[in-house]
Order: sequence, then C-alpha cells, then structure tokens
Amino acid sequence: AQKVTQAQTEISVVEKEDVTLDCVYETRDTTYYLFWYKQPPSGELVFLIRRNSFDEQNEISGRYSWNFQKSTSSFNFTITASQVVDSAVYFCALSGVRFGAGTRLTVKP
Amino acid sequence: EAGVTQFPSHSVIEKGQTVTLRCDPISGHDNLYWYRRVMGKEIKFLLHFVKESKQDESGMPNNRFLAERTGGTYSTLKVQPAELEDSGVYFCASSQYQLSEKLFFGSGTQLSVL
Repeated sequence: AQKVTQAQTEISVVEKEDVTLDCVYETRDTTYYLFWYKQPPSGELVFLIRRNSFDEQNEISGRYSWNFQKSTSSFNFTITASQVVDSAVYFCALSGVRFGAGTRLTVKP
Repeated sequence: EAGVTQFPSHSVIEKGQTVTLRCDPISGHDNLYWYRRVMGKEIKFLLHFVKESKQDESGMPNNRFLAERTGGTYSTLKVQPAELEDSGVYFCASSQYQLSEKLFFGSGTQLSVL
C-alpha cells in the first residue's frame, strides 16, 4: 500500500527563521516519484519539485532545499530565512496518487 | 497560457440534490485528474482520464459519482444524489504526460452539502 505522512499539521515561525517540513512515505514500488506542492491562499496547488527514486541527491533552489533519504523513506523540505510570502499549505505527494494531509506554514513578520 | 479552470468555485446544495462540477484542463494536456480534500485530511485521488478514457477510477467513492470527459477536452464530475459526507474541496489537475510528471492544478470547487 502507498501512504504519505506529513506529521506536522501546522507550523508557525517568525520571519527569517529556517523551517523544515517533514514527509515520510511508504511504497513497495522500486520506481516512484516524490513531489512537493505549495497551496497559497488563492487555492491552486503549485508544483515545487519532483524527485525520482533513483536520484537521492539533495536539491537546492534559492531558499528552498530538499533532503531525500531512501533509507528512512523521507523527503523533507527546508525553507531557509523564511518570508511572509512562504505562508501556505504544503503538500508532499507520491507519484501523483498519494498526497499527505498537508502542513500549514505561517510565517509572521 | 490559460491554466486549469474549475467551475463553480463554490457550491452549496442540500442533501439529495445533484451537483455538477466542471474542469477545463490546459490545452493539449491529455491527462486529467480529479481529487477531493476533506478539511484537514489528505488530498484523495478520485480518478484519472487519458483523453476521453478512464485510466484509473479506483478512488471514486461510490456509484453516486459520475465523471465524464467528452471529446477528451473538459471534464465533468456529477454527484447524484449528494450526501453530507461529499462535502469538501474538489480539485482538478492536468498534465501532458502521466503521473510521473508535475501536475497543474485548478483552484478547486468548494462543495458544501447541507
């Protein structure tokens, strides 16, 4: 069975703090894809990153970074020096079929 | 380029009534997906179209839900008759290729069944 767990329901930080959003997944597939999406107040989910199961290299994009570890079945997302505009609900997904429950991030000025 | 469009953005109906949700995917995207999110829960996959054919409808809750995609363009999701537990946000997404690619989402339809 496939499953995605985002244990953090809500996180609140002050601007410029670093914050990590956790994602743990379960799958029996050997080939799979992991995603992170951002849902701003406007409602639509916006794609952030895709990782395939054979690529464990961490990735950095500006203030965003992702840590993929197959050994712990985790795909965590870190925002460095958070900003108010980062406030949103963030979803982790497994191959587009299984989504986590989302983590609501609030960044306060 | 227009994104994925969903109509209506909100719908409030009474139990037993019928509601039809519409999704217009990005032009040229063969793959269209429906999802539902109940408040605070995960986004649950409902079904996947490839053009006009249903590729996977394993997530459809029951036979009160009917999805169609005539001509492989826009899609409709009809709930008849609606029940209280059908309330939630219904998202549509599209992609040029299949689930290994990133999805483009609409803003969702907030359905409230009273």
